[in-house]
Amino acid sequence: DGGITQSPKYLFRKEGQNVTLSCEQNLNHDAMYWYRQDPGQGLRLIYYSQIVNDFQKGDIAEGYSVSREKKESFPLTVTSAQKNPTAFYLCASTSLSGALWTEAFFGQGTRLTVV
Amino acid sequence: ELKVEQNPLFLSMQEGKNYTIYCNYSTTSDRLYWYRQDPGKSLESLFVLLSNGAVKQEGRLMASLDTKARLSTLHITAAVHDLSATYFCAVRLISSGSARQLTFGSGTQLTVLP
Repeated sequence: DGGITQSPKYLFRKEGQNVTLSCEQNLNHDAMYWYRQDPGQGLRLIYYSQIVNDFQKGDIAEGYSVSREKKESFPLTVTSAQKNPTAFYLCASTSLSGALWTEAFFGQGTRLTVV
Repeated sequence: ELKVEQNPLFLSMQEGKNYTIYCNYSTTSDRLYWYRQDPGKSLESLFVLLSNGAVKQEGRLMASLDTKARLSTLHITAAVHDLSATYFCAVRLISSGSARQLTFGSGTQLTVLP
């Protein structure tokens, strides 16, 4: 079945530690996105990529980094520079082919907690 | 900068009642989306609205779009407890040379009371 897989589902980070969240899709979608959601809040865009080896900052990119070495994969690293990383992280993907750009499909999310 | 505002942010309603959630956006866009999120879960796509006057219905939910007013509504008819969730609208930002991002509203947390 096609879809987006995020892992892990739960992640705990110590102060000063970098952690990487995985996002893989087998939908053959061009664009991939990372969003952050805080309790009771909407989604805020961290980074997005519309093509391999290229990505753009979203609204809250500071303290995060990404890579897009393969079309299927868009990992997010939460660095020690991100001072308040506890949140729910959602990965999404879309096709960019004209009328096929209809909606974003979301992964199941990763809940990151600083301990 | 595209801004998307939803209201109300919180909504408690009795089973069997009708209500409407509103989504206003600030700049021209050609697609509006409604998503549902259950606590601790990901987002589930409900509706995609592509043109002015578009109306879509699924069960007790009906969504409409007025691009001239930059307004979408999500109408709930005869609410049932299973509809309790947070509902988000999202608008596609069109800007030349960039990927087509979605900008989300803050969400409406709906609680349907027995």
